[in-house]
Amino acid sequence: RKEVEQDPGPFNVPEGATVAFNCTYSNSASQSFFWYRQDCRKEPKLLMSVYSSGNEDGRFTAQLNRASQYISLLIRDSKLSDSATYLCVVNDGTNAGKSTFGDGTTLTVKP
Amino acid sequence: DAGVTQSPTHLIKTRGQQVTLRCSPISGHKSVSWYQQVLGQGPQFIFQYYEKEERGRGNFPDRFSARQFPNYSSELNVNALLLGDSALYLCASSSFPGASGKETQYFGPGTRLLVL
Repeated sequence: RKEVEQDPGPFNVPEGATVAFNCTYSNSASQSFFWYRQDCRKEPKLLMSVYSSGNEDGRFTAQLNRASQYISLLIRDSKLSDSATYLCVVNDGTNAGKSTFGDGTTLTVKP
Repeated sequence: DAGVTQSPTHLIKTRGQQVTLRCSPISGHKSVSWYQQVLGQGPQFIFQYYEKEERGRGNFPDRFSARQFPNYSSELNVNALLLGDSALYLCASSSFPGASGKETQYFGPGTRLLVL
């Protein structure tokens, strides 16, 4: 079993839709959580960190449930430019340079 | 300021050969991490170096080695290449030690290695 698991999708949604991605992690020692975005044939880029209280950045909302070891990302009012692969990332809270990535969820937003 | 740079961008090798990949971190960043990303999968941690010392190693064979130089640039070496080593090799720099695991990793564009 992978340490970080994501639904690979693909998720195909129309513009303006709301879409949610889920991620589970198996290492209970995980302390820091992130969502990264990776465009086709590009490098991953930080989308947002995930805090215990949940956090929002514009159309994006991230939630963390430590008891269930579950992270989510909600995208509202999807744009064509949101089409990408979304990577769930965790680490043990001591060093982001040793992070564990999920295999990503692919989103395609269509006109 | 320049971001993380990697060279070469693409590389084709044959089985059994050796390859060296290079990375320059963002100015001021002393931590460099290497990840391997096989098509259809997420990046997998290979090594982290900080202040020229290895700070972590992922589940990769001894054919993989790395080092960091006084200017914080880094090299990843892979010996005795196998077909399965074909992947995108990503370098990431961060400000570790910084926000205790919350610091952002900034990735370079990667080196695409194809082993024939």
